[in-house]
Amino acid sequence: GQSLEQPSEVTAVEGAIVQINCTYQTSGFYGLSWYQQHDGGAPTFLSYNALDGLEETGRFSSFLSRSDSYGYLLLQELQMKDSASYFCAVRGFNKFYFGSGTKLNVKP
Amino acid sequence: NAGVTQTPKFRILKIGQSMTLQCTQDMNHNYMYWYRQDPGMGLKLIYYSVGAGITDKGEVPNGYNVSRSTTEDFPLRLELAAPSQTSVYFCASSLTGQGTYNEQFFGPGTRLTVL
Repeated sequence: GQSLEQPSEVTAVEGAIVQINCTYQTSGFYGLSWYQQHDGGAPTFLSYNALDGLEETGRFSSFLSRSDSYGYLLLQELQMKDSASYFCAVRGFNKFYFGSGTKLNVKP
Repeated sequence: NAGVTQTPKFRILKIGQSMTLQCTQDMNHNYMYWYRQDPGMGLKLIYYSVGAGITDKGEVPNGYNVSRSTTEDFPLRLELAAPSQTSVYFCASSLTGQGTYNEQFFGPGTRLTVL
């Protein structure tokens, strides 16, 4: 089976850096994705790691260690608009398995 | 491009009724997915399709059916609605299901309540 663990909630102040961790157990692994979802909205794609290491896209970075079954999303220079839920998702063969999400609260 | 569109946006069903949730994408994507999201939870895959005429079950397929007669459309059918099917339903599409880059594009969702 598949299981993903991520913290349920994180709070940080505007301008800070926050890291959201994700650990997973899966019988087949092709990559780790991150999605952002604002309240009442649809998930939107942030990043995808198929190989070990760090991927950087603007203020967001994502890291993967396949040997540790672990990844994280790093958000820098936090802005109020970053307040949202963040989901990690493991890609198996043709399927995606999502974590329960981390609610990020950004305070002024 | 409209991307992924879903209809209806909201729906209330009575127990035992049936309905079809519509999903259309105009990006010529081969892969399409149906998810449900319960309050405060992640997304659970219901069914997916890798191309017209090909569908397969996801994690939670019971109580649902799908068909894929065209590349653009991937309707989800609920038969004999039950309160446990109260959820938000998202349709998504992606160009491929494999490779080193894979982004899913999501529709706006359908909020379904079964009473």
